Amino acid sequence: GAGVSQSPSNKVTEKGKDVELRCDPISGHTALYWYRQSLGQGLEFLIYFQGNSAPDKSGLPSDRFSAERTGGSVSTLTIQRTQQEDSAVYLCASSLGTSGAITDTQYFGPGTRLTVL
Amino acid sequence: AQSVSQHNHHVILSEAASLELGCNYSYGGTVNLFWYVQYPGQHLQLLLKYFSGDPLVKGIKGFEAEFIKSKFSFNLRKPSVQWSDTAEYFCAVGGTNAGKSTFGDGTTLTVKP
Repeated sequence: GAGVSQSPSNKVTEKGKDVELRCDPISGHTALYWYRQSLGQGLEFLIYFQGNSAPDKSGLPSDRFSAERTGGSVSTLTIQRTQQEDSAVYLCASSLGTSGAITDTQYFGPGTRLTVL
Repeated sequence: AQSVSQHNHHVILSEAASLELGCNYSYGGTVNLFWYVQYPGQHLQLLLKYFSGDPLVKGIKGFEAEFIKSKFSFNLRKPSVQWSDTAEYFCAVGGTNAGKSTFGDGTTLTVKP
């Protein structure tokens, strides 16, 4: 079946521009996650959605970062006024969302590689 | 706050060697523990997870991990690695705060044929 998809796969932008990254979760998955992976680093948690609500936004690194999810499906991560330190691979994952998603297996997408020049 | 430490950044083994990748976590409550793997050119995928019951967990492709609460550890093991196990391995911990998993920095495993 279809897995998690993300678009674009690669994005090169200039410092100061806004970017939007998209995630299409697996159908029926109510939980959705965004992570950031910088070169040589682990996955940094950004935000978690249960349905359209984001009970945990604690990982968003600054107010330049925002995310939304509509219809309990597609999610968009927006980075405003991009900086060079925003360059990373942005990963999206989804899970069934049962039991509060605490023990869920997360299914990851291929990621979007963002390069800020 | 949750934290995860993976001690080995890069491990190089020959085929048929035994593997143990270290993972230690810091969290004061009930934990759920995961190992994920990313093979070259592929997505991150789950190897195994522990949330209750038998502390020795078996996963796909012959991998297993043991949760030792007293040591705050969840080390990944495989008795005999294959070239196809070459990948990056991530340990992750999730607590009772739904949705938030903390990942380690990853260990790159290279298996020489």
